[in-house]
Amino acid sequence: KAGVTQTPRYLIKTRGQQVTLSCSPISGHRSVSWYQQTPGQGLQFLFEYFSETQRNKGNFPGRFSGRQFSNSRSEMNVSTLELGDSALYLCASRSDGSYGYTFGSGTRLTVV
Amino acid sequence: SQQGEEDPQALSIQEGENATMNCSYKTSINNLQWYRQNSGRGLVHLILIRSNEREKHSGRLRVTLDTSKKSSSLLITASRAADTASYFCATDGSNDYKLSFGAGTTVTVRA
Repeated sequence: KAGVTQTPRYLIKTRGQQVTLSCSPISGHRSVSWYQQTPGQGLQFLFEYFSETQRNKGNFPGRFSGRQFSNSRSEMNVSTLELGDSALYLCASRSDGSYGYTFGSGTRLTVV
Repeated sequence: SQQGEEDPQALSIQEGENATMNCSYKTSINNLQWYRQNSGRGLVHLILIRSNEREKHSGRLRVTLDTSKKSSSLLITASRAADTASYFCATDGSNDYKLSFGAGTTVTVRA
């Protein structure tokens, strides 16, 4: 069974630009979550989607948005990038009725 | 903000020794999970303990949970070089569809 796939693996963007990150969950997993990991703040929850509906959102500004498609693939978008958005962005999926999450390898975003 | 605190922040042990790390959290939970992360890559799910369980084993891993103290511990027995990683506890609250992570413990296993 293929794992959670995140693309791209690395990304360098300039302040003020926008970026879209992609996540393909494990086949059959309808729940997809996004987390931001930085040295200063650690792992922070961004949002969770289930069957194209956002069920929860973390404490991040409106520049951070996401969506989920009918095939459960998810994207997150960050607009007007700031230096502080430099981080490892992790996507995780979970099967119905399960509590453990499977994480992807992450997208490392660097904002210069 | 993070739900939990982990102790110690870093741990260095000799191969074959045991490693113990602790996690404290603040609010009520459905379950508590432990994850491993190698060199800034993705997280790997290690073990989950439900709020009504006190101890659980999986291979060389033993996790305990004390809900009265809002704390958990992870023991890795007979450590190997491949166990060198960061370990995170994460709490799963009541139907909020998210994990709240601790700051993590960095474990270095010396050959």
